[in-house]
Amino acid sequence: GDSVTQMEGPVTLSEEAFLTINCTYTATGYPSLFWYVQYPGEGLQLLLKATKADDKGSNKGFEATYRKETTSFHLEKGSVQVSDSAVYFCALSDGIQGAQKLVFGQGTRLTINP
Amino acid sequence: GAVVSQHPSWVICKSGTSVKIECRSLDFQATTMFWYRQFPKQSLMLMATSNEGSKATYEQGVEKDKFLINHASLTLSTLTVTSAHPEDSSFYICSASGQGAANEQFFGPGTRLTVL
Repeated sequence: GDSVTQMEGPVTLSEEAFLTINCTYTATGYPSLFWYVQYPGEGLQLLLKATKADDKGSNKGFEATYRKETTSFHLEKGSVQVSDSAVYFCALSDGIQGAQKLVFGQGTRLTINP
Repeated sequence: GAVVSQHPSWVICKSGTSVKIECRSLDFQATTMFWYRQFPKQSLMLMATSNEGSKATYEQGVEKDKFLINHASLTLSTLTVTSAHPEDSSFYICSASGQGAANEQFFGPGTRLTVL
């Protein structure tokens, strides 16, 4: 079945550092890809998404490009802030709409030090 | 964005008792709700999908008689863990999507269940 693999955490960076969190997927069809973020004590929030190959999702300075040839959707940010500290989940669904079943990676805890 | 709440946020119960967890969409009508389970340092695993007014669809390996799901209205779904045992201790998260939610899933903050 479909699956998502993320780089293991925790990841600790200094403020203004460059961030990459790797995500690769296995799917039989053409999934939509998502990054969710979970801040302490809160529910998961959609950070960005891409629905087809070569699409780039972006939000709050974060970016991820849907790479079909490498089955990847790596999350990047050029300059992280302390407020970016959270757990990040990569996910896929087998449809365009996020209202369909989501398959999640294991999550990556990110800590940004001032 | 749309808001989803869960109640309670944490619960401790004795083995053998039943526990009900509520999931509410506060500002939109949730035609579909999803229930997930998350083990420590692990991913969210989908347990079941429920559509308002219909029986829930359970994922393979999830006992439907143990995890009772009711989605009786467009704003409320409940998950009842029946005859809970320590192995049922986990973090349970719901999400909701529907009218006014832009086809996106909105997640509740989760409920921590501890069974003694």
